[in-house]
Amino acid sequence: GNSVTQMEGPVTLSEEAFLTINCTYTATGYPSLFWYVQYPGEGLQLLLKATKADDKGSNKGFEATYRKETTSFHLEKGSVQVSDSAVYFCALRISGGYNKLIFGAGTRLAVHP
Amino acid sequence: GAGVSQSPSNKVTEKGKDVELRCDPISGHTALYWYRQRLGQGLEFLIYFQGNSAPDKSGLPSDRFSAERTGESVSTLTIQRTQQEDSAVYLCASSLEGTSGRHYNEQFFGPGTRLTVL
Repeated sequence: GNSVTQMEGPVTLSEEAFLTINCTYTATGYPSLFWYVQYPGEGLQLLLKATKADDKGSNKGFEATYRKETTSFHLEKGSVQVSDSAVYFCALRISGGYNKLIFGAGTRLAVHP
Repeated sequence: GAGVSQSPSNKVTEKGKDVELRCDPISGHTALYWYRQRLGQGLEFLIYFQGNSAPDKSGLPSDRFSAERTGESVSTLTIQRTQQEDSAVYLCASSLEGTSGRHYNEQFFGPGTRLTVL
């Protein structure tokens, strides 16, 4: 079946540290891959996406590269800020489906000054 | 407001009671999705509407769960005879038409309804 596995949190970092949140997937066909973010008290928001192998999605200093050979889509940021504290969800969408998303369990990030 | 809204924000009910959760999508969005998130788990897809028809109900966990949608507007998710395992945050999302192609119409999420079944 189709599934997404994320590293367990919480991840606790100091400001300006390097961030990696691992995400791997299992899917039939050729999925599109996404990172969504949920800031405290807010709804889920799309952070970035990649629709085919070797694509790199980027937004707000975050990046993730679609690696078909390792079935991964790890989220990275070179220098985190306190305002990046949130829960991050990796998700996939199967091409040919109805646009529904399959999510990982989420990883909570806490950044301290 | 231009976003997806959901009501109530919190619902506490007793086991065995029925509950209704409401979602108001973004105006003009023909596609509507329901997901739920149980504690410590990812979001699980429940049902997808295109207009007022539901071509994908594959995520509804049992026949106690049902949903309907009025035209391209409000949707209601109903849970009958609630059980403690139904406790979760129920999220609604809407998008421009759901497609089967490579193009992705971004789903915009509401704030969710936190359901607690005692």
